Amino acid sequence: DIQMTQSPSSLSASVGDRVTITCRASQGISNYLAWYQQKPGKVPKLLIFAASTSQLGVPSRFSGIGSGTDFTLTISSLQPEDVATYYCQNYKSAPITFGQGTRLEIK
Amino acid sequence: EVLLVESGGLVVQPGGSLRLSCAASGFTFDEYTMHWVRQEPGKGLEWVSLISWDGDSTYYADSVKGRFTIFRDNSKNSLYLQMNSLRTEDTALYYCAKEMKPRRASCYGAWGQGTLVTVSS
Repeated sequence: DIQMTQSPSSLSASVGDRVTITCRASQGISNYLAWYQQKPGKVPKLLIFAASTSQLGVPSRFSGIGSGTDFTLTISSLQPEDVATYYCQNYKSAPITFGQGTRLEIK
Repeated sequence: EVLLVESGGLVVQPGGSLRLSCAASGFTFDEYTMHWVRQEPGKGLEWVSLISWDGDSTYYADSVKGRFTIFRDNSKNSLYLQMNSLRTEDTALYYCAKEMKPRRASCYGAWGQGTLVTVSS
């Protein structure tokens, strides 16, 4: 099974900061990588698919990059509404695997 | 509008059984692979199972293999998860999720609101 390791597990940053979350796959998954945002008490929301393609309606401050085993989600200018837990997901093949999540807070 | 509505979550004793349902609407159900994903309270997302658009292929997480069965009824636009030999560690919110693209591996374009399963004596 492909393991997905996210870092950091939690993060505190100030409004306006550039925030970076990384995700590493235990073996190559090409670009079969998605990022989801889950706000407290809410359903996960797709932000990025195919490693770098933004879902419709997602603010342009969110971007993704990577291929193979190393991937990054960047928020270019953190906003208060970005407080959430972020998950990466490998969907190359079953078993589908998620990273353990990164909890993002405002300092 | 895509809509996924889960039901069937209950409090059940260890060793018991439960069937979850997911009613789908707003898209051509028989063209999409469907998944179940669960989330223990306060924890991360865990993939449980998937079924191909035609029902011919199914896959399971090791944690549920041999105990859970995923199936679908395309005539009723419905997805199911039969859960047997339930354990306390199966306690979670269970989401139904639809892949983004028809008939090809993709991530989740839509999620239901989830149904809560509690396994407790």
